[in-house]
Amino acid sequence: GQNIDQPTEMTATEGAIVQINCTYQTSGFNGLFWYQQQAGEAPTFLSYNVLDGLEEKGRFSSFLSRSKGYSYLLLKELQMKDSASYLCAVRDGNYQLIWGAGTKLIIKP
Amino acid sequence: DAGVIQSPRHEVTEMGQEVTLRCKPISGHDYLFWYRQTMMRGLELLIYFNNNVPIDDSGMPEDRFSAKMPNASFSTLKIQPSEPRDSAVYFCASSLAVAGGPSYEQYFGPGTRLTVT
Repeated sequence: GQNIDQPTEMTATEGAIVQINCTYQTSGFNGLFWYQQQAGEAPTFLSYNVLDGLEEKGRFSSFLSRSKGYSYLLLKELQMKDSASYLCAVRDGNYQLIWGAGTKLIIKP
Repeated sequence: DAGVIQSPRHEVTEMGQEVTLRCKPISGHDYLFWYRQTMMRGLELLIYFNNNVPIDDSGMPEDRFSAKMPNASFSTLKIQPSEPRDSAVYFCASSLAVAGGPSYEQYFGPGTRLTVT
């Protein structure tokens, strides 16, 4: 079957760096996505990786290794507003998006 | 652009009643997706449309659920009869088409919080 694994919850300190990991097993691969979901709101797009390597966008970076079925989202200079759930999703060979359960990130002062 | 619009934002109904959720995608988007999100199961894709045609409804839980897209600017998700286990947040999302498939970025509506008592 197809599955996406990511930690359920993580805690970090304001101003620090946190890495949220995601591993996947899918039938085919057409890209990996990270979405942010604030409590009570809809998911919003953060990043997209289809080739191996690191994609940087401001304080957020996303890494992909297709051979390892692995990605991470790196958040730098954490702010309180970064407290949210972070969803990893993979588009499989049929262009279906398979979603992880999300990682709830708690930022402490 | 107004973004994806969903109505109602909240719905409370009794078991056995029919529920209809509505969605207006972003103008010009080719794909429309219906999702359900619960604490237990996370975000689940129910069905998606391309150019108003249902492409994959394998995520629809059972025959009580049906979805339609009569035109490019409107879609409905209907539950009849509703059950307490249908309580969840239902999201509609839309995206452009790229290279024969949906674009990597989906735009989500604010969701409909459904409570079935």
